[in-house]
Amino acid sequence: QSVLTQPPSVSGAPGQRVTISCTGTSSNIGAGYDVHWYQQLPGTAPKVLIYADNNRPSGVPDRFSGSRSGASASLAITGLQAEDEADYYCLSYDTSLSGSVFGGGTKLTV
Amino acid sequence: QVQLVESGGGVVQPGRSLRLSCSASGFTFRSHTLYWVRQAPGKGLEWVALISSDGSRKDYGDSVKGRFTISRDDSKNTMYLQMNSLKEEDTAVYYCPKAAWTGRTDYFDSWGRGTLVTVSS
Repeated sequence: QSVLTQPPSVSGAPGQRVTISCTGTSSNIGAGYDVHWYQQLPGTAPKVLIYADNNRPSGVPDRFSGSRSGASASLAITGLQAEDEADYYCLSYDTSLSGSVFGGGTKLTV
Repeated sequence: QVQLVESGGGVVQPGRSLRLSCSASGFTFRSHTLYWVRQAPGKGLEWVALISSDGSRKDYGDSVKGRFTISRDDSKNTMYLQMNSLKEEDTAVYYCPKAAWTGRTDYFDSWGRGTLVTVSS
């Protein structure tokens, strides 16, 4: 059971928009700690897509965006492409655990 | 260019020990808090341990507390994870991602390929 809750799976057709939620508590996202998002393609290491809620590293397409509200955050992907099929994870900090916490991951099927 | 190379993984029996290494280059190693993150087969990511830049702070995930020890040797740009009393549930790919500070939290901006630890009799 992960501290941050994500839906196990989401799906969408090419060109559509999907969102992945990450729900936390008052000791992590709700406490104002940053939320970061990762994409993991099969057999590879994770790659950062969004850091500090809504910032994209250079090289990440603007089809990916992040937002937050209260104790939750979301990753939105527009213009879905087949290459977006991957696992997605959110990451934050938890003050009661004194450490980083990941969401359980969401498998995106395109 | 940041490079992170994890090594030391392998097959080990339950109850035995193993030491992982993380060799880094391409950034100012001694200035960074360092982390271990693992991923069990078919499962999600789990934070394992961290060590501050000066080595004064070490924190561990609940599942490894008391069994794993993190350390660093800045003269060699290398971090270690000593894993004792290994359990089958420690089976995972272990990563040592590079952390970047946002001003409020760390996030992991570069990752190596990881090293696989298999605990099995």
